[in-house]
Amino acid sequence: DARVTQTPRDKVTEMGQEVTMRCQPILGHNTVFWYRQTMMQGLELLAYFRNRAPLDDSGMPKDRFSAEMPDATLATLKIQPSEPRDSAVYFCASGLTSGGSNTGELFFGEGSRLTVL
Amino acid sequence: SQKIEQNSEALNIQEGKTATLTCNYTNYSPAYLQWYRQDPGRGPVFLLLIRENEKEKRKERLKVTFDTTLKQSLFHITASQPADSATYLCAPVTGFQKLVFGTGTRLLVSP
Repeated sequence: DARVTQTPRDKVTEMGQEVTMRCQPILGHNTVFWYRQTMMQGLELLAYFRNRAPLDDSGMPKDRFSAEMPDATLATLKIQPSEPRDSAVYFCASGLTSGGSNTGELFFGEGSRLTVL
Repeated sequence: SQKIEQNSEALNIQEGKTATLTCNYTNYSPAYLQWYRQDPGRGPVFLLLIRENEKEKRKERLKVTFDTTLKQSLFHITASQPADSATYLCAPVTGFQKLVFGTGTRLLVSP
């Protein structure tokens, strides 16, 4: 049963610490999205990749956040240094697109719940 | 600026009734619109996709409409069941594959 895998599921850390979240997209998918979800803001798009190339990271605070895809089986989202306002659930999703348009569904992981004290 | 609006208030209905959820968007010209379901503590799950040239799409007890003139999509669940209780998210698909979500509407179906 193919699924998107995210680690860690839960992370509690102190302000100023580095946090790295990892995502293994579904094999064969060529797009990867990172979202952040809070009660107040809902699902916010942070960054997304197609064929491992970053297409848009305008939703991401550049000074502390970075997103990469070192290879097709791994996407990472790093926060350094972390702040209490970063506390949220971070979702990774993958999909399959072709022809330059996204007509297909996204498959979401279970999320990484981050708490920054 | 681009905006997606869904009812922020929870929708409470009785089992067996039809639930209707609304998604309005402004400053968008989406070619597609997707609907997802999210249960507490879980990631969203895809339900339906509707294209701009499709007025209506059905899947079992679900029906979605897409009015590009009104800039609105309606999501209907007929013969609703308590198991349909969840948050439902719409996502107009814009630009180059960019999938941006509304804040979602929580549906509560009482037995």
